Amino acid sequence: NAGVTQTPKFQVLKTGQSMTLQCAQDMNHEYMSWYRQDPGMGLRLIHYSVGAGITDQGEVPNGYNVSRSTTEDFPLRLLSAAPSQTSVYFCASSYQTGAGSYGYTFGSGTRLTVV
Amino acid sequence: ILNVEQSPQSLHVQEGDSTNFTCSFPSSNFYALHWYRWETAKSPEALFVMTLNGDEKKKGRISATLNTKEGYSYLYIKGSQPEDSATYLCARNTGNQFYFGTGTSLTVIP
Repeated sequence: NAGVTQTPKFQVLKTGQSMTLQCAQDMNHEYMSWYRQDPGMGLRLIHYSVGAGITDQGEVPNGYNVSRSTTEDFPLRLLSAAPSQTSVYFCASSYQTGAGSYGYTFGSGTRLTVV
Repeated sequence: ILNVEQSPQSLHVQEGDSTNFTCSFPSSNFYALHWYRWETAKSPEALFVMTLNGDEKKKGRISATLNTKEGYSYLYIKGSQPEDSATYLCARNTGNQFYFGTGTSLTVIP
């Protein structure tokens, strides 16, 4: 089925470890993004990309890196995990944003715990 | 309004009742307003994308309106059913960035 595939679904890290959350979509969406969901807060944008080779920071980018080498893939890297990065992470993609906006398609989420 | 705000935070209604909730947002730098439905243990699913002042969208028993000049959108559910139980999110799109509200949690009691 077409959609956004996120892996892994669950992960436990020790403080200081690094890891990459994978995100892939097969809908030829130009726009891809990463969000984190924390209790009592709305989804907050970490990083986004408007096409291959183009990335930019969102609302809460510190501690995270991204790259977009292909249209399909948009991995999120945690370089040195901290307990404050314990959260549920969602990858989302869209055909277009702005005035000609389309709705997001979300991945199934990754629940990350940093101990 | 600096952020996207949704009210009420939660709502319990009886099956068959009609209900509505509000999304308020800054009216400046507006491109689009999105509504999503988020069921427990699933991912958010897009309901509506609205871009023009006065827009009205409808999908089955769910409809939404948009007022960009005063910065609010209403989501209406007519004749609520238990399967409507979910969190309803709105998001303001300012171009390449999205700002989400914290959602309205709806529980429909059979």
